[in-house]
Amino acid sequence: SSELTQDPDVSVALGQTVRITCQGDSLRRYYASWYQQKPGQAPVLVIYGSNTRPSGIPDRFSGSNSGNTASLTITGAQAEDEADYYCNSRDSSGNHLLFGGGTKLTVL
Amino acid sequence: QVQLQESGPGLVKPSETLSLTCTVSGGSIRTYYWSWIRQPPGKGLEWIGFIYTSDSGDTSYSPSLKSRVTISVDTSKNQFSLKLSSVTVADTAVYYCARGVVSGGDSYDHWGQGIPVTVSS
Repeated sequence: SSELTQDPDVSVALGQTVRITCQGDSLRRYYASWYQQKPGQAPVLVIYGSNTRPSGIPDRFSGSNSGNTASLTITGAQAEDEADYYCNSRDSSGNHLLFGGGTKLTVL
Repeated sequence: QVQLQESGPGLVKPSETLSLTCTVSGGSIRTYYWSWIRQPPGKGLEWIGFIYTSDSGDTSYSPSLKSRVTISVDTSKNQFSLKLSSVTVADTAVYYCARGVVSGGDSYDHWGQGIPVTVSS
């Protein structure tokens, strides 16, 4: 299929660890990238490739991949991590890209 | 530091063509690939398409929008553009331009601030 599926809502207690997942058949072949989006702002790349953080992204953000699932893990979530998170990858054909539906992360 | 800036009309009438331009500064448009992505109010991100600015000038469009979308580039102005024809209210969204990089997978490492476009008569 040409879909990337994310849980719509995830919550985490302040300072705890949270995993946000993205599922899709194409992830068996292509890496996902992950974006953080806060209200009224453009998305920001936080993880790409197998597990690479762009400059300026805190090391509490990490990525992993297993089978048809890509995961974004935040170890020691902070209040400022409350945001929407989107995964992005190629579709099964490899000719197009697509985004997951997004996960709203709430930090309690 | 690469910066992207969208420009164009914020209001388009139904059935007309939406036209937006993204101006790239701080770097050349002649490498990487360049995309348009949109976000309807209160909804998630939707990939529209991309253009490679290599010699091939290859483009790729979302299957759901392919019949209405054209992305082009003007390397002399360091700009790329989006045209979306026969718009309806469902095309109301914030439109982002972004730079695509292929390094251990695809990613969008630089984004414009986004431009809101409303389709209404």
